[in-house]
Amino acid sequence: GQQLNQSPQSMFIQEGEDVSMNCTSSSIFNTWLWYKQEPGEGPVLLIALYKAGELTSNGRLTAQFGITRKDSFLNISASIPSDVGIYFCAGHAGTASKLTFGTGTRLQVTL
Amino acid sequence: NAGVTQTPKFQVLKTGQSMTLQCAQDMNHEYMSWYRQDPGMGLRLIHYSVGAGITDQGEVPNGYNVSRSTTEDFPLRLLSAAPSQTSVYFCASRVADTQYFGPGTRLTVL
Repeated sequence: GQQLNQSPQSMFIQEGEDVSMNCTSSSIFNTWLWYKQEPGEGPVLLIALYKAGELTSNGRLTAQFGITRKDSFLNISASIPSDVGIYFCAGHAGTASKLTFGTGTRLQVTL
Repeated sequence: NAGVTQTPKFQVLKTGQSMTLQCAQDMNHEYMSWYRQDPGMGLRLIHYSVGAGITDQGEVPNGYNVSRSTTEDFPLRLLSAAPSQTSVYFCASRVADTQYFGPGTRLTVL
């Protein structure tokens, strides 16, 4: 089945550093979603993007919908220990379309 | 507002046993789906439903059955469990472009 290419696969950073991760797709999406998953929990929606070129923030998180509609980026500024988790991108081509997930970026934050 | 709930949270089965994973949502969402999550594989779609009485296969449907008799409930049945079905299972419901996940069921098949 189709999956999005998400990178990097994992990141080890120090508290206070900024983080960037991205997703690319071979097909065009109309919506991009970014989720965070903590151990033992289901993914929780962080940011939703609906328009090419859109830049949306949620606290220290900023995500962008690429203008080609085939990619998306998530940035976390000034990371803190509670940012630890797995971050997933997801996209779909329309409201009735299946949601496709990236393979995840595992983030570890050291003090 | 409970959102998406799943039971049980943990389950151990022997090969060949059958069981049903329960999923319910109280948000009146039409679209529901089941995923499995394996290490390094992300989330893979098993089955989905766009409304009561309508179900369809995802990318990994073999060995699983679903039904959708009500808007609220979307159970996933394992007909004859196999070790390859050891995984974490997530149910989700969706409204328009946004999807919400349950807390997951961790299943081990021995």
